[in-house]
Amino acid sequence: LAKTTQPISMDSYEGQEVNITCSHNNIATNDYITWYQQFPSQGPRFIIQGYKTKVTNEVASLFIPADRKSSTLSLPRVSLSDTAVYYCGGKLIFGQGTELSVKP
Amino acid sequence: GAVVSQHPSRVICKSGTSVKIECRSLDFQATTMFWYRQFPKQSLMLMATSNEGSKATYEQGVEKDKFLINHASLTLSTLTVTSAHPEDSSFYICSAKPGQGANEQFFGPGTRLTVL
Repeated sequence: LAKTTQPISMDSYEGQEVNITCSHNNIATNDYITWYQQFPSQGPRFIIQGYKTKVTNEVASLFIPADRKSSTLSLPRVSLSDTAVYYCGGKLIFGQGTELSVKP
Repeated sequence: GAVVSQHPSRVICKSGTSVKIECRSLDFQATTMFWYRQFPKQSLMLMATSNEGSKATYEQGVEKDKFLINHASLTLSTLTVTSAHPEDSSFYICSAKPGQGANEQFFGPGTRLTVL
């Protein structure tokens, strides 16, 4: 996952579904794709991780196409407290982050 | 989930002094811990991988003599910023994996270092 590209920022409203896509064209065969959430002045928090196809947990879904060159984090029905920066990454590498702003 | 703590959460020091930051895994053992640095509005950058009982592995461009890492036990790693300068002011974050085969890493809350 040498280099990742994701949108710098996104805006949404409460109750909407938010999809954030990350491009990782050089992903290694054995790399998992991980998404993190970070609030200001806090350490990142693990959201979800996957290798291929679709993964779902209690907070998000992760969609990974067959070529694994991108992944999409899906947050259902966001709330104001989901305002944060979201990073995609591999083993120990973080993307530049997407600053999600959820408005009332 | 697993908990990682850091101490102190915030430190202000004078230029030229050294600062030690502790990272502890509270409810699991971690043979490997990681140290990151994050500047304002930027992503996390891996500085080094801390290995219990052996020397740390530093990323390219990170001075090992300036950022001393000690991983003395399975639950504690320390990062010492020696002869700190204002440009070392940053948010330092550690993480740990609860096993060598684990993919998920747990992060500490971070330490805000300000060098005057």
